[in-house]
Amino acid sequence: DAKTTQPPSMDCAEGRAANLPCNHSTISGNEYVYWYRQIHSQGPQYIIHGLKNNETNEMASLIITEDRKSSTLILPHATLRDTAVYYCIANPSGGSNYKLTFGKGTLLTVNP
Amino acid sequence: GAGVSQSPSNKVTEKGKDVELRCDPISGHTALYWYRQSLGQGLEFLIYFQGNSAPDKSGLPSDRFSAERTGGSVSTLTIQRTQQEDSAVYLCASSPARRGGLNNEQFFGPGTRLTVL
Repeated sequence: DAKTTQPPSMDCAEGRAANLPCNHSTISGNEYVYWYRQIHSQGPQYIIHGLKNNETNEMASLIITEDRKSSTLILPHATLRDTAVYYCIANPSGGSNYKLTFGKGTLLTVNP
Repeated sequence: GAGVSQSPSNKVTEKGKDVELRCDPISGHTALYWYRQSLGQGLEFLIYFQGNSAPDKSGLPSDRFSAERTGGSVSTLTIQRTQQEDSAVYLCASSPARRGGLNNEQFFGPGTRLTVL
């Protein structure tokens, strides 16, 4: 699986958009970009995934660059409950893609 | 709707004892996964069940670890002769049937925090 790189921490003001970057310059054509988050003392929570088109759901938007070497997760109106560690992973379709492996992620702190 | 549940939420045991951790997946989910997360560490895959297929046990760290899934639903992770290095949060996840090889999102339970003294 392609390695991903994320900043260790970010701050965001409550009500503002949180834009979390992820670099995946070695991503291969069959690898999807997945985002999960983990709120303190809870299990990880799936957020969104995409291949090459931008995606949006009720939680967030995912913007993937045309060359697919990086992506940005956008939380449009961050709340205090969005404070969590956010993980970006590149996960292939098929094979053993069910083995999720998280790196260090980005600790997003939403401030009042 | 009900999510993935795990029990107990916390377990303290003495070195050398056996422990059983339980996972109730989301109803209808055919795939079930066990992971563990040590303090400050990432997620470590342990085992994967998919329907009636043979489980992928490749992540189990030693033969002291075993897991079973009865009736395609509830799963139990058993650790025999626990060691202090087994202390971690054990997470269970489930997902619906895989479509076209794409790994569906995994829904995680709250975890069981195991402390081996």
